[in-house]
Amino acid sequence: EPEVTQTPSHQVTQMGQEVILRCVPISNHLYFYWYRQILGQKVEFLVSFYNNEISEKSEIFDDQFSVERPDGSNFTLKIRSTKLEDSAMYFCAFTGGEYNEQFFGPGTRLTVL
Amino acid sequence: AQKITQTQPGMFVQEKEAVTLDCTYDTSDQSYGLFWYKQPSSGEMIFLIYQGSYDEQNATEGRYSLNFQKARKSANLVISASQLGDSAMYFCAMRSHNDYKLSFGAGTTVTVRA
Repeated sequence: EPEVTQTPSHQVTQMGQEVILRCVPISNHLYFYWYRQILGQKVEFLVSFYNNEISEKSEIFDDQFSVERPDGSNFTLKIRSTKLEDSAMYFCAFTGGEYNEQFFGPGTRLTVL
Repeated sequence: AQKITQTQPGMFVQEKEAVTLDCTYDTSDQSYGLFWYKQPSSGEMIFLIYQGSYDEQNATEGRYSLNFQKARKSANLVISASQLGDSAMYFCAMRSHNDYKLSFGAGTTVTVRA
């Protein structure tokens, strides 16, 4: 099964600080996604990234968020000025497999104090 | 817009018994895909099973089967012979044919009792 790693596994930050969450897929894929899951709630789509460009973004993905693929392998999600409500688990995912299902990374738990 | 509804916040099941998790969806798309994911307490999202909207047969994957009723717009997950390791949150998700992003339901927590 394809794999993806995410770093850090847990990030604690102060409100107003910038955070960068990283995702490293094992294989080269064209489609990437970021989702978030506030504790105990459903998983929500943030942004999709295709061929090094944003292809779609949700209402949650406002100007405080950005995504990059800085070196062709790492895939980053940046939150410029974190808010308390940004506290959540952030998953990156990519499409693959027999059904073009999405494979999720292990997630980064972001805690904003 | 797509909407996924999971009406059961939590369920208890006895070990070795079967459990059915409900999922209904709403979409105007003719072609779409339905997925179930498992999220154990460790937090990772594990793909379980897929059903395409044009698939005539219900999907099965080991102890997982999907009871797909297209006219009712439902895609219930059946876990047979429950094991203690099945205790987790289960999410139903949907994808339209023209993009790959997933829309998730609120999830159902399953607790398997010994």
